[in-house]
Amino acid sequence: GQQVMQIPQYQHVQEGEDFTTYCNSSTTLSNIQWYKQRPGGHPVFLIQLVKSGEVKKQKRLTFQFGEAKKNSSLHITATQTTDVGTYFCAGRKLGGSEKLVFGKGMKLTVNP
Amino acid sequence: NAGVTQTPKFQVLKTGQSMTLQCAQDMNHNSMYWYRQDPGMGLRLIYYSASEGTTDKGEVPNGYNVSRLNKREFSLRLESAAPSQTSVYFCASKTRVLTDTQYFGPGTRLTVL
Repeated sequence: GQQVMQIPQYQHVQEGEDFTTYCNSSTTLSNIQWYKQRPGGHPVFLIQLVKSGEVKKQKRLTFQFGEAKKNSSLHITATQTTDVGTYFCAGRKLGGSEKLVFGKGMKLTVNP
Repeated sequence: NAGVTQTPKFQVLKTGQSMTLQCAQDMNHNSMYWYRQDPGMGLRLIYYSASEGTTDKGEVPNGYNVSRLNKREFSLRLESAAPSQTSVYFCASKTRVLTDTQYFGPGTRLTVL
């Protein structure tokens, strides 16, 4: 079945550092979404990417959808303690049903 | 708007007991979902309902049943709870128009002893 893999699973950075996390699907996607879950909270939608090669920015966060629509990246600039949490990517298979397949998440911790 | 609500927030069961987790949304969404979240495993889909009157199995349906009572409500039932079902359960909903954005409820933390 469809699989979505996120790397790395854990990321520890110093406040102010930049880093990138990746999401790879075993199948071509209709779209890809990113969610953030704060400790003890529930996943909250961040962004959806639909077009091949699409790049979207939200303040210090930059999201990219690969040309083949099978992978995505999230780049965070000047990491802050408010960025702490687990980031999930989720994709719907092209021509697939109404369900999303989530990656296992990337847990971010920040050293102030 | 309350968004997606779930009850209860916390529950402790003994092995073999049954219970129903309730979920309701007030956003007029067509699709609803039940996920479980375990450490290091991400979000795994248990069941989903693409529209009122339909339900489909997800990745981990064994040991669970669901009911899409109406457009607003989607319940998850554990008939005979097992310790392996100790988890955090999230309900989510989405519209089928233009976007796949899912809106999550606050979750139910279930412990089975």
